[in-house]
Amino acid sequence: EAEVAQSPRYKITEKSQAVAFWCDPISGHATLYWYRQILGQGPELLVQFQDESVVDDSQLPKDRFSAERLKGVDSTLKIQPAELGDSAMYLCASSGTGGYSEAFFGQGTRLTVV
Amino acid sequence: AQTVTQSQPEMSVQEAETVTLSCTYDTSESDYYLFWYKQPPSRQMILVIRQEAYKQQNATENRFSVNFQKAAKSFSLKISDSQLGDAAMYFCAYSYQAGTALIFGKGTTLSVSS
Repeated sequence: EAEVAQSPRYKITEKSQAVAFWCDPISGHATLYWYRQILGQGPELLVQFQDESVVDDSQLPKDRFSAERLKGVDSTLKIQPAELGDSAMYLCASSGTGGYSEAFFGQGTRLTVV
Repeated sequence: AQTVTQSQPEMSVQEAETVTLSCTYDTSESDYYLFWYKQPPSRQMILVIRQEAYKQQNATENRFSVNFQKAAKSFSLKISDSQLGDAAMYFCAYSYQAGTALIFGKGTTLSVSS
């Protein structure tokens, strides 16, 4: 069964360090989302890609966060420098195109900033 | 701006019983999608059920059904014959059109006892 792959599953980093997360969407899915989920809260969108283009990054803190999807397939989300408040689960999701297409989520990367 | 509100942080139910999770939302759109997602501990979020706003008939998926009240902007989830495997965090979510990002509520933690 096709799944959205994310790595690493867990990451502990010191504040002011750089950290990166990777996502491989389901094959053929043109739309890719990065969400941030603070413990006990619902996910909030950070950035949405359509193929290699950014569709929505209005909630992405661009002074420290960056995201890319260079070939329109896998994607990397980077934080530099990490802050204590960045501790959260980072979820990647993907969906197809053409009418309604369900979004499938990966297992996420749990980031702890110390 | 669209918002989704889940007013029940925690709910509990006994096996084989029925439980209803509440959700309200705010939007000025007339056509949109509503969803319930399930997030088990340490596992990825999965779609439970979907409702298109233009459909008057409430969606059902096996033991899961919704009560969609468009005028009241209410979208509750009923789980019948609850099972231990239903224990999870449940998120109500909104999307104003296919391919757009989901807006989530804060979630309801459901516990199931035997």
